[in-house]
Amino acid sequence: DTEVTQTPKHLVMGMTNKKSLKCEQHMGHRAMYWYKQKAKKPPELMFVYSYEKLSINESVPSRFSPECPNSSLLNLHLHALQPEDSALYLCASSQDSQTGLSYEQYFGPGTRLTVT
Amino acid sequence: AQKITQTQPGMFVQEKEAVTLDCTYDTSDQSYGLFWYKQPSSGEMIFLIYQGSYDEQNATEGRYSLNFQKARKSANLVISASQLGDSAMYFCAMRDQTYNQGGKLIFGQGTELSVKP
Repeated sequence: DTEVTQTPKHLVMGMTNKKSLKCEQHMGHRAMYWYKQKAKKPPELMFVYSYEKLSINESVPSRFSPECPNSSLLNLHLHALQPEDSALYLCASSQDSQTGLSYEQYFGPGTRLTVT
Repeated sequence: AQKITQTQPGMFVQEKEAVTLDCTYDTSDQSYGLFWYKQPSSGEMIFLIYQGSYDEQNATEGRYSLNFQKARKSANLVISASQLGDSAMYFCAMRDQTYNQGGKLIFGQGTELSVKP
């Protein structure tokens, strides 16, 4: 099973709302990632979790708050977002993040977020 | 600094023909990995093929092959016998062995491929 699932598929939220994106994998992967992607652009890395600890934060604004409750789950908590945060948010996982150059990242289908 | 360049923003190919998507990379590391991903309009990034910097043979996966020319720092994707379902955005990406990068993939800007019937 090489599936990464993400919920919800679509989300519309106001600038004062609090919402969460969820990601789950059951491949035994120890690295999980959040990406933000604008239309016709490559994904931009936001956060990396390695063995349930935050290992990379790409200077993401604090209105985005990641959480890794266990090795299979990854959440992204959203609060006081701006319209420019509207994008496709992709979750990915890989066997490891520190070793194994060949470890491909498996991506979920993404959450299309619209901030009004 | 690591960099991936995809010079073809958009390409058209006739169904059943082969197509080559270009990718050049820049890294000072000797050990690195190159990946190609496909992203249909639905949004999911689909892993296609991987080539390691020390691999002597070009990688192949079904209709996908990677034309790896290390001296030229190029890693072009070749799709044989194009199908309508191949219409998508294609991203070339690289990962190099820099510990603090934590598995970070460097992506190119992508090539949008359209397959004509």
